[in-house]
Amino acid sequence: EPEVTQTPSHQVTQMGQEVILRCVPISNHLYFYWYRQILGQKVEFLVSFYNNEISEKSEIFDDQFSVERPDGSNFTLKIRSTKLEDSAMYFCASSAAGIRTDTQYFGPGTRLTVL
Amino acid sequence: DAKTTQPPSMDCAEGRAANLPCNHSTISGNEYVYWYRQIHSQGPQYIIHGLKNNETNEMASLIITEDRKSSTLILPHATLRDTAVYYCIVRVGGGGADGLTFGKGTHLIIQP
Repeated sequence: EPEVTQTPSHQVTQMGQEVILRCVPISNHLYFYWYRQILGQKVEFLVSFYNNEISEKSEIFDDQFSVERPDGSNFTLKIRSTKLEDSAMYFCASSAAGIRTDTQYFGPGTRLTVL
Repeated sequence: DAKTTQPPSMDCAEGRAANLPCNHSTISGNEYVYWYRQIHSQGPQYIIHGLKNNETNEMASLIITEDRKSSTLILPHATLRDTAVYYCIVRVGGGGADGLTFGKGTHLIIQP
């Protein structure tokens, strides 16, 4: 069964450094998403991406974040200058188009630790 | 904020049916009910969704009341591996770019 994959599984970085989290969505899906979950808190929506542009973003997704689909398979989340409060699990998700088929499927996540 | 209300925790004996309730009294006519679960810190796992009819798949059954203001997720024969946080989410059908709004969910603990 096709699944969303994410790399790396764990990323440790110093405050102020740039990080790029990578995702490979399910191959025939058209919508891509990033969510984050700070330890012990709810899963929060960050951004959705369709047709090579951002479709929707939350208040969390400020100027330090960016997303890109650099090729036909990868979907990335870049955090330009990491802060301690960016430490969280980051989940990528994807969905197909359509009413009954736009279920979002999630990857296993990347644990980001900012020191 | 989440448009659903769920009990914070529930226990169920292994092998018994686990029935997880969800209230969504303000649901709109074009909103579906989705259920996901999250085992420890893994990515949320899709379970099932429905609009107004009851649904069943290999994982679970979803029972939606006639007025659509509440629903119940049923895990017919719970195992220890079903211990997880279960999220009930309402979402517009065909709203492809819309992010999911997760609440705190129900922490289901399966007892041996």
